[in-house]
Parts: sequence; C-alpha cells; structure tokens
Amino acid sequence: EPEVTQTPSHQVTQMGQEVILRCVPISNHLYFYWYRQILGQKVEFLVSFYNNEISEKSEIFDDQFSVERPDGSNFTLKIRSTKLEDSAMYFCASRGTGAGGYTFGSGTRLTVV
Amino acid sequence: RKEVEQDPGPFNVPEGATVAFNCTYSNSASQSFFWYRQDCRKEPKLLMSVYSSGNEDGRFTAQLNRASQYISLLIRDSKLSDSATYLCVASKGGSYIPTFGRGTSLIVHP
Repeated sequence: EPEVTQTPSHQVTQMGQEVILRCVPISNHLYFYWYRQILGQKVEFLVSFYNNEISEKSEIFDDQFSVERPDGSNFTLKIRSTKLEDSAMYFCASRGTGAGGYTFGSGTRLTVV
Repeated sequence: RKEVEQDPGPFNVPEGATVAFNCTYSNSASQSFFWYRQDCRKEPKLLMSVYSSGNEDGRFTAQLNRASQYISLLIRDSKLSDSATYLCVASKGGSYIPTFGRGTSLIVHP
C-alpha cells in the first residue's frame, strides 16, 4: 500500500533554531497538507498546497513557517525560529483526486528546548 | 462554535459490546466526511469514508445526516484492538481542507 514518508521521526532543537521537516507524499497525489498535534490536543491544520502553491493556511501558519516542494517529490515544512510552543507532532498528509480520504505520514515529533 | 465537535469520552466498554460515537459539524459547505482512528502517539489512519446513504465495513457502520449536520459511527462486537481515539473529519469541497474533531476515546476491556 502506498504511504507518506516523513523524516526525521524525532527532532530536538534549541529555541530560536531553524528546522526543516521533510515529507514524501504518495506519488500520484496532488493535494498536500501539514498538520500539527500538540500532545493531548486535537489535530490542527497548518497549510495546504496544490499546484505548486499554498492554497490555504491557518492562523497558526505565520511568517515563521514556510513550505516548499523543491523537486516534485519532497514536500518540506520549515520553521525559521522555533519557539517552545512549537513542540508538537507534525504530520504530513496527501490526497489524490476523487472521493478517497487523506493519507498521513507517521509524523515528526519536534521538541524545542 | 467549534467546526467539528465530538464527545471526548472515554467510552469504556466490555469486549463484544456495541458502541456509537456522534459528531456534529458547523460548516454547511462541508461535503466529504470521514472517520479516522488514531492510536496513542501515532498518525491518524483512515477508518472509513461517510456517505449520505450510510455505509458499512464489517463491524463498522457510518451514517451522515446532512440536514442535522451530524455524523455517526457504530462499532459492533467490540474487540480489544478497537481501543483507540476515533476522529471525525469534515472537509469542504473545492479546497479539500479536512477539519478534525478532538476525537472520542474508546477503551475496550476484557
């Protein structure tokens, strides 16, 4: 079964440092998403990406966040200057056309110290 | 008002029980609906899509009531392995942005 791959599985970073979270969506999918989940809380939408541009973003996705699809397979989330409150599980998801659901990667656990 | 609301539970049931989860959504523009399952510290995994006509997959039955903006999930003959958090998801047409409920926790005990 096709899957969404995320790396690294766990990243520890110091406050103020930049991090890049990587995702390889399912190859024939066209819609890509980043979500985050703070421990014990709900899955929160960050940003969606379609046709090589951001299609929608949430209030959480402020100027310190950016996304890229640099080479047609990878989909990255960059956090420029991490804060303690950025500590969370970050999930990448993708979706094809049609009525199918969204496939999530196994997530990157980001810990900001 | 939260976009997707669920009773957080936990629902604590014995093996073999039937359990039902409910979910309401506030955005009438929502067009696609799903139930996801999430195990502790894991990613959400698609359990089933929800259609207006209702749909069944083995022990799981999902129903959608558009007029009431209400979605349900019924699990029959609960297994220990059904213990997880069940996430209700509504997605607007066009943008396909899925919005998650907080999830309902199910604990199935022997």
